[in-house]
Amino acid sequence: NAGVTQTPKFRILKIGQSMTLQCTQDMNHNYMYWYRQDPGMGLKLIYYSVGAGITDKGEVPNGYNVSRSTTEDFPLRLELAAPSQTSVYFCASSYSSSSYNEQFFGPGTRLTVL
Amino acid sequence: KNEVEQSPQNLTAQEGEFITINCSYSVGISALHWLQQHPGGGIVSLFMLSSGKKKHGRLIATINIQEKHSSLHITASHPRDSAVYICAVRKTSGSRLTFGEGTQLTVNP
Repeated sequence: NAGVTQTPKFRILKIGQSMTLQCTQDMNHNYMYWYRQDPGMGLKLIYYSVGAGITDKGEVPNGYNVSRSTTEDFPLRLELAAPSQTSVYFCASSYSSSSYNEQFFGPGTRLTVL
Repeated sequence: KNEVEQSPQNLTAQEGEFITINCSYSVGISALHWLQQHPGGGIVSLFMLSSGKKKHGRLIATINIQEKHSSLHITASHPRDSAVYICAVRKTSGSRLTFGEGTQLTVNP
């Protein structure tokens, strides 16, 4: 199993450009998450999904959109990139939201908006 | 004030030393997670606990629910333990994780 995979690993965007960060998991997990990690800050939840067709906002959803058409894929869309969106983005998945369910993280995407 | 606070923020140790990283939280929780973020950026789960103590190899995690405090201990530290250690809690009121800011550990040979 590949686990959670993310593409691309690195990306530089100009202000106002759009892009989609891809996330795929092959563990048949129901729950998927998108986090951003800023220097010196804890991981912040952007969006999450409890299953195909169901998504919900996290702590910092502004400027992002998500969709979940399949169990495996959970892409994150930036429509109008802004410098404040410079961050490292992590996708994660878990079987359920139970307290004892481990979250498995992807390797991250480092995004710079100039 | 953050709901999850870690200390210290940075820690430098010599190989072989016993290391303690602390996590305090101010909310009711159903579980606490310790994660490790490698220098390359990857994040892996080390422990999930809601009471008592867990041990895996040289790593030990403890939690005191009454005091709202958890510690991560590393015995006989090694340079390969150098990483960021992150504490996260699952609140009793929700299903998401709330993360601390992390502790950067550097173990020198």
